[in-house]
Amino acid sequence: NAGVTQTPKFQVLKTGQSMTLQCAQDMNHEYMSWYRQDPGMGLRLIHYSVGAGITDQGEVPNGYNVSRSTTEDFPLRLLSAAPSQTSVYFCASTIDGGDTQYFGPGTRLTVL
Amino acid sequence: GNSVTQMEGPVTLSEEAFLTINCTYTATGYPSLFWYVQYPGEGLQLLLKATKADDKGSNKGFEATYRKETTSFHLEKGSVQVSDSAVYFCALTSNYGGSQGNLIFGKGTKLSVKP
Repeated sequence: NAGVTQTPKFQVLKTGQSMTLQCAQDMNHEYMSWYRQDPGMGLRLIHYSVGAGITDQGEVPNGYNVSRSTTEDFPLRLLSAAPSQTSVYFCASTIDGGDTQYFGPGTRLTVL
Repeated sequence: GNSVTQMEGPVTLSEEAFLTINCTYTATGYPSLFWYVQYPGEGLQLLLKATKADDKGSNKGFEATYRKETTSFHLEKGSVQVSDSAVYFCALTSNYGGSQGNLIFGKGTKLSVKP
């Protein structure tokens, strides 16, 4: 049981490049979320999903796309990276709304 | 909307000192409350939680009581250790509204414990 896994751990992009941050969980959780962590800001919700085929926007969705084709995977796509997207990205999952969330180890992204 | 306010750090304590990190919240509905901890270079881990008023969450010597009358969920530990050095996040989730199952975080409090 690996829990929540994220790849890559580190990434450097140039402005305008695109990339996908991968997230997978093996706990059969319905809820999955993406957060970004910035200094002095705590964690902010980007997008979330309540099950396969269902996604919705969080607090800071602009510049990011998500899809949920399977219960296990929840990739986050940056279509045209900007320096403002330099951050640490965390994926999380939970079995049910309101319950404990399990976090991945994070992806540190730098956009030059 | 829902929000969490926690005391800003950094907080520096000597080993065996008493720790309090204040957390207050604003929410509609009946939120569950959480403390998460982030050790250097790692993701967040649940430290403790409380799901209804007057519940006390506890783990690893840390405690927090869900106080609905003061909308607070302060984190306490009687005797901190060097290994407690980390960033602590207060968070809430609410069953009211559209974003069920998601967390609203405070900004985090960095704790450093000196030997």
